[in-house]
Amino acid sequence: GAVVSQHPSRVICKSGTSVKIECRSLDFQATTMFWYRQFPKQSLMLMATSNEGSKATYEQGVEKDKFLINHASLTLSTLTVTSAHPEDSSFYICSARDVTFNQPQHFGDGTRLSIL
Amino acid sequence: AQSVTQPDIHITVSEGASLELRCNYSYGATPYLFWYVQSPGQGLQLLLKYFSGDTLVQGIKGFEAEFKRSQSSFNLRKPSVHWSDAAEYFCAVGSQGNLIFGKGTKLSVKP
Repeated sequence: GAVVSQHPSRVICKSGTSVKIECRSLDFQATTMFWYRQFPKQSLMLMATSNEGSKATYEQGVEKDKFLINHASLTLSTLTVTSAHPEDSSFYICSARDVTFNQPQHFGDGTRLSIL
Repeated sequence: AQSVTQPDIHITVSEGASLELRCNYSYGATPYLFWYVQSPGQGLQLLLKYFSGDTLVQGIKGFEAEFKRSQSSFNLRKPSVHWSDAAEYFCAVGSQGNLIFGKGTKLSVKP
């Protein structure tokens, strides 16, 4: 089945550091990838939609300069949390959608980000 | 407004018992419906999806769900729960792109 690889699975870093998270579709091409944030015991909140070769579309309230998204190829999207602060600590999950019509989103295993 | 409601925050069932997780949605167009499962610290795994056709959908791990348009529901069922089914379950609705997720139902399984 379709596999989405997300890396790293966990990162702990100091406040002020920038952190990059990668999302790769391993066996299919994904023109669209999605980035979600999940707070403890909460549902997933869509942060942005990443389209290959174009600018990402951010949801209301999500700072695009804070959460930089790059979707340089059909198999890779990256999320960079710039100058991270403790309030950015969260579980970030990416998903990718196969270019084939009607294919569902396939999710990565998530990244646990902890900012000290 | 588009939304997904999972009325039960936490359900506990005995191993071997049947299970039904409820999901109601509000969506302007014909919805695509999904159930995902999330184990602690993990991403989401697709259990099953409904796009069109037969309203009773079979998924992985012995799960099934039934789309009832008149009730705007897409409840998830399993006839006999296993201890490994303990996890968080999310219902989602969408079209070709964005998904709207419910708040999830945590399933605990008693031995």
